[in-house]
Amino acid sequence: AQRVTQPEKLLSVFKGAPVELKCNYSYSGSPELFWYVQYSRQRLQLLLRHISRESIKGFTADLNKGETSFHLKKPFAQEEDSAMYYCALSGRGTASKLTFGTGTRLQVTL
Amino acid sequence: EAEVAQSPRYKITEKSQAVAFWCDPISGHATLYWYRQILGQGPELLVQFQDESVVDDSQLPKDRFSAERLKGVDSTLKIQPAELGDSAMYLCASRPGQQATRQFFGPGTRLTVL
Repeated sequence: AQRVTQPEKLLSVFKGAPVELKCNYSYSGSPELFWYVQYSRQRLQLLLRHISRESIKGFTADLNKGETSFHLKKPFAQEEDSAMYYCALSGRGTASKLTFGTGTRLQVTL
Repeated sequence: EAEVAQSPRYKITEKSQAVAFWCDPISGHATLYWYRQILGQGPELLVQFQDESVVDDSQLPKDRFSAERLKGVDSTLKIQPAELGDSAMYLCASRPGQQATRQFFGPGTRLTVL
């Protein structure tokens, strides 16, 4: 069974402070990991995926297979980063489904 | 940029009534998904289509839910009869092909069952 755990429902940080949104997963095999984001009044959209190894809007995430984690990080939070963040996992293959965590709301305050 | 379309955006119904949601994926996207998102939780897959065929409906409550994608393009999700516990956001998503993993989401239909 595949499972994604996001332990924090709410993370509140000050503008300019570092951000780390935690994500742990359970999967037997080689998963693909994603971070999706939902800004206020917008649809769910892909932020980044581990296979791309890219930085989007200053966010990065590294897959740690030993700790089965895929934490999302940003060195300096901005107000526009306030949103709901979902970690998600997919197995390989055409029929693999996306399993989401329960989400973490990031609140960046002045 | 092309987007996934869903309608209606909001639906209020009484329990035991029938409801239907419609989704139009991005043109050319062969794979279509329906998710249910209960307040405070992440989206949960209900059904996955590859063209017009169901690939995964293991989490679909088949006694009351049905989904179809007759021509392999747009899709309809139906609930009959609706129950109070069905109140949730219903999301549709699509992805281009078998090698692509990124999913594109629609705005969702918020269902309230009274």
